Order: sequence, then C-alpha cells, then structure tokens
Amino acid sequence: GAVVSQHPSRVICKSGTSVKIECRSLDFQATTMFWYRQFPKKSLMLMATSNEGSKATYEQGVEKDKFLINHASLTLSTLTVTSAHPEDSSFYICSARVGRGYNEQFFGPGTRLTVL
Amino acid sequence: AQSVTQLDSQVPVFEEAPVELRCNYSSSVSVYLFWYVQYPNQGLQLLLKYLSGSTLVKGINGFEAEFNKSQTSFHLRKPSVHISDTAEYFCAATQGGSEKLVFGKGTKLTVNP
Repeated sequence: GAVVSQHPSRVICKSGTSVKIECRSLDFQATTMFWYRQFPKKSLMLMATSNEGSKATYEQGVEKDKFLINHASLTLSTLTVTSAHPEDSSFYICSARVGRGYNEQFFGPGTRLTVL
Repeated sequence: AQSVTQLDSQVPVFEEAPVELRCNYSSSVSVYLFWYVQYPNQGLQLLLKYLSGSTLVKGINGFEAEFNKSQTSFHLRKPSVHISDTAEYFCAATQGGSEKLVFGKGTKLTVNP
C-alpha cells in the first residue's frame, strides 16, 4: 500500500520556539493532505486540509497563524507550530490522498510534540 | 454534524476468542463508514469500509463489520483473535460525500495468551 512518512517522530522544544513537522507521500502523489491532532484517550481531530499549490482550509477553532501549513509539492506538506506553548503538546498525524471526493486516506505514523 | 461513538475504551480478550468492537454514528444520511487499526508507533491502516451495497463488509486480517441503519451502528467483529491483533481500533465516518473523516475515540484491544 501507499506509504506516508512523518519527520520527526518525536520533538521536544522550549516554549516560544517554532517547530516544523514534515509529511511526505513516498510512493504516490498526494493531491490532498490532512493534518490531525490526537489528544490522550481522545479521537483524532481534523485541524486542516491542504491541497497542493493552494492555501490550507482550517477547521473551526484552529488558529491558522499558529499552525502554518504549506503544501508546496504533491509529495510534501509541512506543519509549523509557531511560538509553541505547553498546551500545544500533542500527537500530530498527517494523511495523504489521491484525487478528490472520497478516496482512501493514507496515514503517517505521527509526531509527538512536547513543549517544555 | 456527524459524530462517532465508540463505547468501549478498552477490550481485553483471550487468544482465539471472538471479539466485537462497537461503533455508533449519529446520522445515516449519505454516510460512509470506516474502521482503522493503529499498531504501536505506526500510522492508521484501513481495515475495511462501507460505502454502499452489501451491509456486511469484509476487511483485512479476518475482520468484518455490519452496517445497521436502524441502529446506526457499524460494529467490528472477528471470530477468533490473535495476539497480533492487539492494537488501537478507530471507527470513522464521513457524511454527504464530504472528504472529512470524523473519528471515534478509539478502542484498545488487548489479546492475552
């Protein structure tokens, strides 16, 4: 099946710094990538949807200036958590999909962010 | 808006026993339903999906699920589990052809020898 990677798998940073997380589709071109956040013992929550070459669409309540998403190519999307604070600590998961409408999303392994 | 409920946060079973993981959704209007599995330190993998047609859906690794419109349920079943089935299982849904997946909170299945 299609493979999606994320880098880094874990990151620890100081409060106030910015962190960039990469999501890559390794063996296919992803028209759309999704970014999710997973809290402990809670479900995955969609943060934003990004289509290659266009601005990301953020879900209600997600600060677009804090969570910067760039989808510059068909195989790479990045999520930058700007001026991170301890409450941003979470598990961030990306997924990638080919085409529009309903098509299967392929998920990355996730990135554990800890902000001290 | 669509919501998904997984009533059981943890399900412990013995090896070779049958298992059912429960999932209920809020709206049957144009709903697509999915079950994903997440092994430790790995991404989510699609087990099976219901888009239309037969209400009994067979997936990978011997799992199956049944779409029940009257009970708004999509429970996941396996007649005989293995140790290797130990993982977190997520039920998810989209509605009206939307590309957005709504996830349940997950059920941790632990298979004991």
